[in-house]
Amino acid sequence: QVTLRESGPALVKPTQTLTLTCTVSGFSLNASGMSVSWIRQPPGKALEWLALIDWDDDEFYITSLKTRLAISKDTSKNHVVLRMTNTDPADTGTYYCARTLERSDYYMDVWGKGTTVTVSS
Amino acid sequence: SYELTQPPSVSVSPGQTARLTCSGDALPKKYAYWYQQKSGQAPVLVIYEDSKRPSGIPERFSGSSSETMATLTISGAQVEDEADYYCYSTDSSGNQWVFGGGTKLTVL
Repeated sequence: QVTLRESGPALVKPTQTLTLTCTVSGFSLNASGMSVSWIRQPPGKALEWLALIDWDDDEFYITSLKTRLAISKDTSKNHVVLRMTNTDPADTGTYYCARTLERSDYYMDVWGKGTTVTVSS
Repeated sequence: SYELTQPPSVSVSPGQTARLTCSGDALPKKYAYWYQQKSGQAPVLVIYEDSKRPSGIPERFSGSSSETMATLTISGAQVEDEADYYCYSTDSSGNQWVFGGGTKLTVL
């Protein structure tokens, strides 16, 4: 059974760095065609894809946030980590990680339950 | 930046057919995907590669794509299908993935 679980701080102060961890099980981060994405959703708003790291460590970022984001993985711990620098109240929302399959495209097939982050002083 | 456009809301009565649309300039060459998100829950994949249905998704969910528009059709919509539905695809470069603004489906 494939599962993903997000963890991280519920509250961060503006300008601080947010670090989120996705713990996966049921699949290997090194397996061909397996990737993990991070997606966020501000309260009452639409989903927004943020970043992806694929099985051979290629990284992709949303252009508008590329300078603030870093995605990495630790296969020994089954972890995928997203770091966001210089946070702002506009970064408040629910952050999801999702298994992302590389077929003809990259697409998310299994999602974690999400973790809620508030950026406030 | 690339955008996928969805109508904000669609309303149908139970048993009717709901058609949710998604328009984007790259859709003639890129697949569309559809996610269902019920209130307070994580999204669930209901259609991939324009028209394929993952295991466990009811047959009443179907997808199609023509030119710059993808369509999610729910034939015989049920009250439990009430949710926000998001289309998802990639831009022409193939390395920026976007969601549409979402459509709130009401079945009552």
